[in-house]
Amino acid sequence: QVQLVESGGGLVKPGGSLRLSCSASGFTFRDYYMSWIRQAPGKGLEWVSYFSNSGSFTDYADSVKGRVTISRDNAKNSLYLQMNSLRVEDTAVYYCARGGATRYFDLWGRGTLVIVSS
Amino acid sequence: EIVLTQSPGTLSFSPGERTTLSCRASQSVRSTFLAWYQQKPGQAPRLLIYGASIRASGIPDRFSGSGSGTDFTLTISRLEPEDFAVYYCQQYGSSPWTFGQGTKVEIK
Repeated sequence: QVQLVESGGGLVKPGGSLRLSCSASGFTFRDYYMSWIRQAPGKGLEWVSYFSNSGSFTDYADSVKGRVTISRDNAKNSLYLQMNSLRVEDTAVYYCARGGATRYFDLWGRGTLVIVSS
Repeated sequence: EIVLTQSPGTLSFSPGERTTLSCRASQSVRSTFLAWYQQKPGQAPRLLIYGASIRASGIPDRFSGSGSGTDFTLTISRLEPEDFAVYYCQQYGSSPWTFGQGTKVEIK
């Protein structure tokens, strides 16, 4: 079954860290760009970061640049997002999605909720 | 940054009616790299249209997209009960890859 499953969300205090994971199955993971996209409660969608399928190209939204690092392990069919210095405004559902850069997002996970609160 | 403006914020229709959603870009979108997504409450977004007018796999033909440059539209020819949702446009032609704020299609 072609799917993406996120994990690692939770409640964290401002200034804290969290590592999100995304497990892919049903397709050749290494062939695709992969991204993280977030959605604050009751708000719209915001692209966060992408990782290319080869050459290790990455890009980040200005809102997270310097605080967030995307990585992938093709042997484990997994995508990761290391989030540091978390802020209240980082509270959102974080979706893993197939695609990124000049590629639309054609497969989405169900998301994992990150709550940053004291 | 390309800002995408979707209007109006909410549309009210009855099942069976036709609706057209608008997405306007602050700058020309490169190579019609424009996609539309549907999101229902509590669910992840689902790709409907890419390349401004190409239906994604499994998407019914009542959904169609058109436009180029700065003006794009999504048309649902005949609303089915399952089509009441929020619709987002997204440009993937230049970084940062941006989304519109969404249009909610609700039942009248």
